[in-house]
Amino acid sequence: EIVLTQSPGTLSLSPGERATLSCRASQSVSSSYLAWYQQKPGQAPRLLIYGASSRATGIPDRFSGSGSGTDFTLTISRLEPEDFAVYYCQQYGIHQPFGQGTKLEIK
Amino acid sequence: EVQLVESGGGLIQPGGSLRLSCAASGFTVSSNYMSWVRQAPGKGLEWVSVIYSGGSTYYADSVKGRFTISRDNSKNTLYLQMNSLRAEDTAVYYCARDAVVPAAMGYYGMDVWGQGTTVTVSS
Repeated sequence: EIVLTQSPGTLSLSPGERATLSCRASQSVSSSYLAWYQQKPGQAPRLLIYGASSRATGIPDRFSGSGSGTDFTLTISRLEPEDFAVYYCQQYGIHQPFGQGTKLEIK
Repeated sequence: EVQLVESGGGLIQPGGSLRLSCAASGFTVSSNYMSWVRQAPGKGLEWVSVIYSGGSTYYADSVKGRFTISRDNSKNTLYLQMNSLRAEDTAVYYCARDAVVPAAMGYYGMDVWGQGTTVTVSS
């Protein structure tokens, strides 16, 4: 079974800075089946990226995804105050594991 | 409007049973892949189960043999029957639509989520 490991666990940055979040799979996965989600306290997760690099409907273009094989990255080019949240990667398959999450906090 | 609304959560003793419901509007449950995802207090997201449009079902190892996912097409509702509940099943349970195009092997993420229902397993 595939395990997704996200790093760092916590990322402290300031608004306007660039954020780079990593998701590493324990074995090679199809980039078509890799998604990213944002979750704010008390809210359900929100889909950001699917297919490793395609933005979901309504997602600002400051969010971008990349990667292939075992290494995937979510990049937020210029942080807005509303971007501080927890981010999860997820792989689609018969089982659909999530990574453990990266908390993006205000520095 | 495309929407999912969960219900059925509550406080239950260890070893007990509970059935969660997820009512859909704006789309047809039976034509989609549907998942349950849970989140223990202060923890990350954990995928629990999926039901495919064709009816196949799959479970996380942590719930296999205890939980059953199903749907009622006439009610456009997804269910999660949870038996032999344990303290570690305490969580907010979300239902979500898995946007899949099986013929094209395309996956477009869990694009619709409910607001969640809380299950607490405690004596």
